[in-house]
Amino acid sequence: GAVVSQHPSRVICKSGTSVKIECRSLDFQATTMFWYRQFPKKSLMLMATSNEGSKATYEQGVEKDKFLINHASLTLSTLTVTSAHPEDSSFYICSARDVTSGGTDTQYFGPGTRLTVL
Amino acid sequence: GENVEQHPSTLSVQEGDSAVIKCTYSDSASNYFPWYKQELGKRPQLIIDIRSNVGEKKDQRIAVTLNKTAKHFSLHITETQPEDSAVYFCAAENSGYALNFGKGTSLLVTP
Repeated sequence: GAVVSQHPSRVICKSGTSVKIECRSLDFQATTMFWYRQFPKKSLMLMATSNEGSKATYEQGVEKDKFLINHASLTLSTLTVTSAHPEDSSFYICSARDVTSGGTDTQYFGPGTRLTVL
Repeated sequence: GENVEQHPSTLSVQEGDSAVIKCTYSDSASNYFPWYKQELGKRPQLIIDIRSNVGEKKDQRIAVTLNKTAKHFSLHITETQPEDSAVYFCAAENSGYALNFGKGTSLLVTP
């Protein structure tokens, strides 16, 4: 099946620093990728939709200047958490939509990035 | 926007019994409904999905049913095993192809 990687898997940073998370589709091209956030024992919350070559679409309540998304190629989307604060600590998961297999619309998830802001 | 409700939030069954998880959605335009299994600290894994042109789909011990008129869909796991213990999420795809997730069901299968 399709593989999505995410890097780093875990990051600990100081308050005020910026952190970049990469999401890659390894064996398919993804014109659309999605970024989710998951708090402990909670569901996945959609943050934004990342479209290759255009601006991301953010969900209501998600600050676009704080969570910068860039989708510069068909296999890579990045999420940068700017000026991170302890409340940004969470599990960030990306997904990529594979439409090459006869239009199955299947979304494949990356392994997630555990962000801890001290 | 799409609102997905999932019940129950926790479910405990004995090994060999069946487990049923139910979800409802609000956007009648939704056409794709996947189910994911997530183990602690790991990514969600797609276990089965259904599209609006079918009413039921089965894959070995797992089945999903969809009622578009009532806007609800259900996951059925038969002959449960301890390794089925995990958190299960239903989801509905919105018009932008993103997934709106239910709040999850923590399933515990006891030997």
